[in-house]
Amino acid sequence: DQQVKQNSPSLSVQEGRISILNCDYTNSMFDYFLWYKKYPAEGPTFLISISSIKDKNEDGRFTVFLNKSAKHLSLHIVPSQPGDSAVYFCAASAGSGGSNYKLTFGKGTLLTVNP
Amino acid sequence: EPEVTQTPSHQVTQMGQEVILRCVPISNHLYFYWYRQILGQKVEFLVSFYNNEISEKSEIFDDQFSVERPDGSNFTLKIRSTKLEDSAMYFCASSFSPFDWETQYFGPGTRLTVL
Repeated sequence: DQQVKQNSPSLSVQEGRISILNCDYTNSMFDYFLWYKKYPAEGPTFLISISSIKDKNEDGRFTVFLNKSAKHLSLHIVPSQPGDSAVYFCAASAGSGGSNYKLTFGKGTLLTVNP
Repeated sequence: EPEVTQTPSHQVTQMGQEVILRCVPISNHLYFYWYRQILGQKVEFLVSFYNNEISEKSEIFDDQFSVERPDGSNFTLKIRSTKLEDSAMYFCASSFSPFDWETQYFGPGTRLTVL
C-alpha cells in the first residue's frame, strides 16, 4: 500500500544545476506534506513543508510545489551543491480534524550532486 | 543543536530472542515516536507515545512490540520474539508538540539484524 510514491530511486545532477525530486500520493485526505533529507548514518532531518492550502513554499534554495489535482508534489533545489547529496524522503500527513496524525513516507530518492 | 541519541547503533540477534532498543529524546520534548525502515523500503511509522501512553500505533505495531519510558530520559522499544522480517533500521524521534513534524527530531537509528 504505497500511498506516497517516489518513483525515482536515484537522481544525478551537476553542481549549480537544478535538482527536481518528485513525489506522488494517492490519499486525498493528506493535507500536509514534508520533505526530509537523510545523510548516511544519520536520521532524517526536516527540510521543507507545504500545507494543502498552498501550492508553493520557498526556503532559500529549496522550493516545494504542490499540485493537488494531480496529487503531485516536487522539490526543487537551485542551485544544487555537492553537500545536497543525500536521500530525500517525501512524507504526508492527514492530521486536520482527524486522528490519523501519523506520517506516511515514500521510499526516498538518492540525489547525487556532482562537482 | 539538540539531538536524539539511540543505542546501540547496531544490534544482531537470533530469531526468537527479545531485543530492547534504546533512545534518549531531547530533554524538553513530550512526544516520542518509533519508525522503522526495512532496507530499500520506505520509512514506516510504528508508534507515538505521550504522557506514558501510546497515542497512536500502526498495524505493524502488534503484540510483539511494546514501548516504555522507564525513567525521565529513556524511551525504549521492545520486540519480544524477533522474526527475520524485523530486520530493519529503527528510528526514534521526539517533538515538543504533538505531531509537530517540523520540529520532530530523529535519532541516527539502530540497525537491527535478526539471524
